[in-house]
Amino acid sequence: QKEVEQNSGPLSVPEGAIASLNCTYSDRGSQSFFWYRQYSGKSPELIMSIYSNGDKEDGRFTAQLNKASQYVSLLIRDSQPSDSATYLCAGDNAGGTSYGKLTFGQGTILTVHP
Amino acid sequence: DTEVTQTPKHLVMGMTNKKSLKCEQHMGHRAMYWYKQKAKKPPELMFVYSYEKLSINESVPSRFSPECPNSSLLNLHLHALQPEDSALYLCASSQDRGRSGSGGEQYFGPGTRLTVT
Repeated sequence: QKEVEQNSGPLSVPEGAIASLNCTYSDRGSQSFFWYRQYSGKSPELIMSIYSNGDKEDGRFTAQLNKASQYVSLLIRDSQPSDSATYLCAGDNAGGTSYGKLTFGQGTILTVHP
Repeated sequence: DTEVTQTPKHLVMGMTNKKSLKCEQHMGHRAMYWYKQKAKKPPELMFVYSYEKLSINESVPSRFSPECPNSSLLNLHLHALQPEDSALYLCASSQDRGRSGSGGEQYFGPGTRLTVT
């Protein structure tokens, strides 16, 4: 069973703080990992992708991948109330195909309070 | 431009109705996906089309019938649905993954909220 586990949350942080979202995966064949943000009643929005070990930064977001530990994380710096949403971690392992096959975690609800 | 469009936004149908969901993308992506999402759950993959051919069917009941008329369009035909099929139906598309397995980011449309009465 290929699984992606996220810290269950909900996570509540004050405005301006760093929010840390974590994810572990069981399938060592997973090559790519994605973080999606989903506001209530809306569709998932891709915010970060990471393929290689290490950190990847984009604005206030930093994704971290450690394939040896099978661990993926997302840091949100200077958290804003508008960051309040459900964050979905997904791993992609579709073998040698041109298309992907995502396995999603259950999601972590983040609330940023003023 | 990372836009995937879906119509309709909302759909209410009876168990004997036949309806279709539509999805369109103009990003040149050659893979398109249908997902089903229930409240407070992550999206569940239903179908994958790659280069207009059905590549994955995740054991979806036959009352759901996908169709890919061309590389930009994806339809989901619905017939004799059950109330438990009520959910948010999401379409996504992606460009080809790299040889190392990297890339292939999936971009989701806004979804169709389906209610079966």
